[in-house]
Amino acid sequence: NAGVTQTPKFQVLKTGQSMTLQCAQDMNHEYMSWYRQDPGMGLRLIHYSVGAGITDQGEVPNGYNVSRSTTEDFPLRLLSAAPSQTSVYFCASSSPGQGGTGANVLTFGAGSRLTVL
Amino acid sequence: AQKITQTQPGMFVQEKEAVTLDCTYDTSDPSYGLFWYKQPSSGEMIFLIYQGSYDQQNATEGRYSLNFQKARKSANLVISASQLGDSAMYFCAMREALNTGGFKTIFGAGTRLFVKA
Repeated sequence: NAGVTQTPKFQVLKTGQSMTLQCAQDMNHEYMSWYRQDPGMGLRLIHYSVGAGITDQGEVPNGYNVSRSTTEDFPLRLLSAAPSQTSVYFCASSSPGQGGTGANVLTFGAGSRLTVL
Repeated sequence: AQKITQTQPGMFVQEKEAVTLDCTYDTSDPSYGLFWYKQPSSGEMIFLIYQGSYDQQNATEGRYSLNFQKARKSANLVISASQLGDSAMYFCAMREALNTGGFKTIFGAGTRLFVKA
């Protein structure tokens, strides 16, 4: 199993450009989420989805858009990139019982490093 | 609103000694889960240990144990017999159930652990 696959691993954008970070999982997980990691701030939840067709905002959703048309895919769209969106982005997925009853342990992708100039 | 606090930005420990990484949390959800993840310098996120809010005993996984004090809302990670490979960033996280079903997980800012030879 590939687990959680994120593409691209690295990306450089200019301010105002748009792009999509791809996330795919092959574990049939219902739950998927996007985080951004910045120094000193840990991982902050951007958007999450509890199943196909259902998405919701996390702690820092502004400037990002998501959709969940299939169980496997959860792309993150940057509508108009800003330097403040320079970060490392992680996609994670889980399902009830992952890691034990009721645990919902997250399986992470390898991360995508985005630089906005 | 739920919150995770890690007050130690950095910690040093001598090889083979034990170390405690602090984590406090705040939530109004009676059914929550607490996690610790490790992020080595390579960047991947590794699940270490899980504690459910209703679990009576502290969780243990090999050299890792979670010191769960529910009344104090703390979930400290104890690493026994530190090894050089334990040098990494450590994140405390909390899963909270949603009224609409499913859950979301948020993270603390992290503690960077340095193990000295």
